[in-house]
Amino acid sequence: QQPVQSPQAVILREGEDAVINCSSSKALYSVHWYRQKHGEAPVFLMILLKGGEQKGHDKISASFNEKKQQSSLYLTASQLSYSGTYFCGTLKTSYDKVIFGPGTSLSVIP
Amino acid sequence: NAGVTQTPKFQVLKTGQSMTLQCAQDMNHEYMSWYRQDPGMGLRLIHYSVGAGITDQGEVPNGYNVSRSTTEDFPLRLLSAAPSQTSVYFCASYSRGLTGANVLTFGAGSRLTVL
Repeated sequence: QQPVQSPQAVILREGEDAVINCSSSKALYSVHWYRQKHGEAPVFLMILLKGGEQKGHDKISASFNEKKQQSSLYLTASQLSYSGTYFCGTLKTSYDKVIFGPGTSLSVIP
Repeated sequence: NAGVTQTPKFQVLKTGQSMTLQCAQDMNHEYMSWYRQDPGMGLRLIHYSVGAGITDQGEVPNGYNVSRSTTEDFPLRLLSAAPSQTSVYFCASYSRGLTGANVLTFGAGSRLTVL
C-alpha cells in the first residue's frame, strides 16, 4: 500500500525551512528519502531504520516514529538547489520491495 | 562500474506492438525492480526480483512480464502495448547488505510513448 505524503507541493524563499511528512498504515522496517530533479532519476538522500537514530545530511535531516509509522524530512535554510520532487520509500522488512509515496514538489525561489 | 544501465532511452510504439525494455547492473545487486512514473502518481512498482530465477508482482503488474535469468539483467516486456502504458520507466537495484540499509540505485530512465 502506497504511503501518504504531505504536503503535495510547497514553495519556499531561499533561507526558509520546510517539513515533508510521510506516513504508512503498515508496520515499517525502514523509510528512504529520495530527491528527483526534473528529467532526471531519483537520487538517494537518507535512510531511517527501525530502532535507529535521526539522520542528518548538511541542512537536511529526517526522523522516523516507528510507533506511528511516520517519517518527516526537515530542510533548513533552503537553497535553490533543494528544488525538486521528494519521495519517501517504505520497506516492511529488511529485504523487501520499496513502495514509494506520490511525492512532494518543492520549489525554492530567490 | 556503470551502475544501472537502461535501454532504450526513448521509444515510440503503436498500439498492439511488443517491446522489451532492458536493464543491466554491474554491482552484483540481488534485488532489482521496475517502476513507472506518471504525473502526480509518483513511482509505482511494476515487478521486482530478489534474485536470479525469482520474480514477483508489484503494485501495477498488468500488461507487463519480467524474467530474471542472471543476476545482472532484468528485462521488462510489454506484450501488446496500450496508450495507458505511456510513461517513464525506471529500473532500480540494491544489494542485500548486512546492515539492512538497502539503498536503491536508479537507472537513467526510459521514456515510452504508445500511440
